[in-house]
Amino acid sequence: EAQVTQNPRYLITVTGKKLTVTCSQNMNHEYMSWYRQDPGLGLRQIYYSMNVEVTDKGDVPEGYKVSRKEKRNFPLILESPSPNQTSLYFCASSSLGRGLGDTQYFGPGTRLTVL
Amino acid sequence: QQQVKQSPQSLIVQKGGISIINCAYENTAFDYFPWYQQFPGKGPALLIAIRPDVSEKKEGRFTISFNKSAKQFSLHIMDSQPGDSATYFCAAVSAGNMLTFGGGTRLMVKP
Repeated sequence: EAQVTQNPRYLITVTGKKLTVTCSQNMNHEYMSWYRQDPGLGLRQIYYSMNVEVTDKGDVPEGYKVSRKEKRNFPLILESPSPNQTSLYFCASSSLGRGLGDTQYFGPGTRLTVL
Repeated sequence: QQQVKQSPQSLIVQKGGISIINCAYENTAFDYFPWYQQFPGKGPALLIAIRPDVSEKKEGRFTISFNKSAKQFSLHIMDSQPGDSATYFCAAVSAGNMLTFGGGTRLMVKP
């Protein structure tokens, strides 16, 4: 089954304690991306990756890091989480084979609470 | 600053009625406009999408209307059903497959 998986699904942590949210896709997609979803603000892009070892900032990259060492994985790293990073996070992937507009497939989301 | 503005934030429609959600964008570099549907506890899923070279696209009960000169587009859900109750996001895509989302509309269809 084609899917994007994220772990953990729920996480409660404290300010300053480094954490990693994993994302994996099994569709051999080149493009992967992280979003955060906050009420009234929709989904905002944090980072994206066009392929292995190629990453770039989205709209709200401050406080986050990513890496793309393998095509299927795109972890999101919070080196020193703060309460304003409490949010619902989504990973997404898509093919770039047809150029603009390929369907982005979203993972199930990770609800993060930073105390 | 939101580059894609969506309204209304919430919408209540009776079963069988028409649900209308509107979006406006500013960046003329956008050239693909998808709509996503999100159910509670799930990630967004592509519902329907349009390119700016057409003014309307229909798939079943869902229709996108696109006005390029006004930089506006809208989603119409005909014969709305309780199962359509979800949050809907419009989005705009620019180079590199970057999605910019609207703020979302929470739709409730009353039986």
